[in-house]
Amino acid sequence: EAGVAQSPRYKIIEKRQSVAFWCNPISGHATLYWYQQILGQGPKLLIQFQNNGVVDDSQLPKDRFSAERLKGVDSTLKIQPAKLEDSAVYLCASSLKELIAGNTIYFGEGSWLTVV
Amino acid sequence: GDSVTQMEGPVTLSEEAFLTINCTYTATGYPSLFWYVQYPGEGLQLLLKATKADDKGSNKGFEATYRKETTSFHLEKGSVQVSDSAVYFCALKRSQAGTALIFGKGTTLSVSS
Repeated sequence: EAGVAQSPRYKIIEKRQSVAFWCNPISGHATLYWYQQILGQGPKLLIQFQNNGVVDDSQLPKDRFSAERLKGVDSTLKIQPAKLEDSAVYLCASSLKELIAGNTIYFGEGSWLTVV
Repeated sequence: GDSVTQMEGPVTLSEEAFLTINCTYTATGYPSLFWYVQYPGEGLQLLLKATKADDKGSNKGFEATYRKETTSFHLEKGSVQVSDSAVYFCALKRSQAGTALIFGKGTTLSVSS
């Protein structure tokens, strides 16, 4: 079974530029998450989708971050304009069914962003 | 709000030593508890989980028991190897729909031969 795919793996941009990350979850997984992991910290949820609907985006900085999952499969996370503090690893994750307690969440390898 | 607290790292051990990484949580209701591991340059991998009180999760020689009375989920391994060097994250997930994993800050383990 293929895992969660993310691209690009690495990106370096200047502040105020824009960047987009792509994620393809495990086939059949209805729930998709984007997490931000700053160096030395645990991952923090940015947004959670159930199929193509947003379940939780309370911690997404909406003035600069946006995400979509138009067809309920793959997803894109965009940052515009980027700030230095956005330097982090952006992790995409997916799970089969949100309503099952203890359901396993599978993570991609992450997209490493450096803003200079 | 819900939160996870892990012991500060780094933890430095010699091969075959006993490992304990402490994890405590604060949550309403009865969350599920997880340990994830992140090897250098790789993504997060589920190590083990427990979904209710007194459950013991185990995998690859690692164990953790869900202790509701002490709100803890400490990770243990009897004999660590150099290949266990990684960052370990404790996490919780509430049982209600629409909730995601909440992670601790992570504990770095370094094992030397």
